[in-house]
Amino acid sequence: DGGITQSPKYLFRKEGQNVTLSCEQNLNHDAMYWYRQDPGQGLRLIYYSQIVNDFQKGDIAEGYSVSREKKESFPLTVTSAQKNPTAFYLCASSIGAPWKVQPQHFGDGTRLSIL
Amino acid sequence: GDSVTQMEGPVTLSEEAFLTINCTYTATGYPSLFWYVQYPGEGLQLLLKATKADDKGSNKGFEATYRKETTSFHLEKGSVQVSDSAVYFCASNDYKLSFGAGTTVTVRA
Repeated sequence: DGGITQSPKYLFRKEGQNVTLSCEQNLNHDAMYWYRQDPGQGLRLIYYSQIVNDFQKGDIAEGYSVSREKKESFPLTVTSAQKNPTAFYLCASSIGAPWKVQPQHFGDGTRLSIL
Repeated sequence: GDSVTQMEGPVTLSEEAFLTINCTYTATGYPSLFWYVQYPGEGLQLLLKATKADDKGSNKGFEATYRKETTSFHLEKGSVQVSDSAVYFCASNDYKLSFGAGTTVTVRA
């Protein structure tokens, strides 16, 4: 079945440590996204990529980095510069243009906690 | 910038009750509108969408109509089930996807 796979489901980070969250899709979608979800809030966009080897900052990119070397993969690194990383992280993908009518498909998320 | 405001929860209902979750948006252009549902511990799933004024999206007994004159996209279901317990997110997409804060719905047997 086609879909988006995020791993791991739970992740723990020590102070000062970088961690990388994996996101893989086999939907052949051009665009991929990373969101952060905090309790009682909607989703906030961290980074997005509309095509391989290109990505753009979202609303809360500080303390995060991404790469898009393959169409299927869009890993997110949470760096030590992100001072409040505890959250639920969601990866999504969409077919591509026309951008505003295409729905996004979501993975099951990674919950990151600080030790 | 574009934004979405949806009814605050939590909402608690009995089975077979009528559900309405209000959603309004602000946008400079003509966005597409979506409702997503999130079950505990999972990601979001698309519930329904509408891409232009007066379009009605529907799925699994849920409906929402794109009302340009009131900038609204309210979600309704005539008879809820326990399995409808989830968090519901309204979203608009003009140049990027903007989400409301989510409404937690609990349906009791």
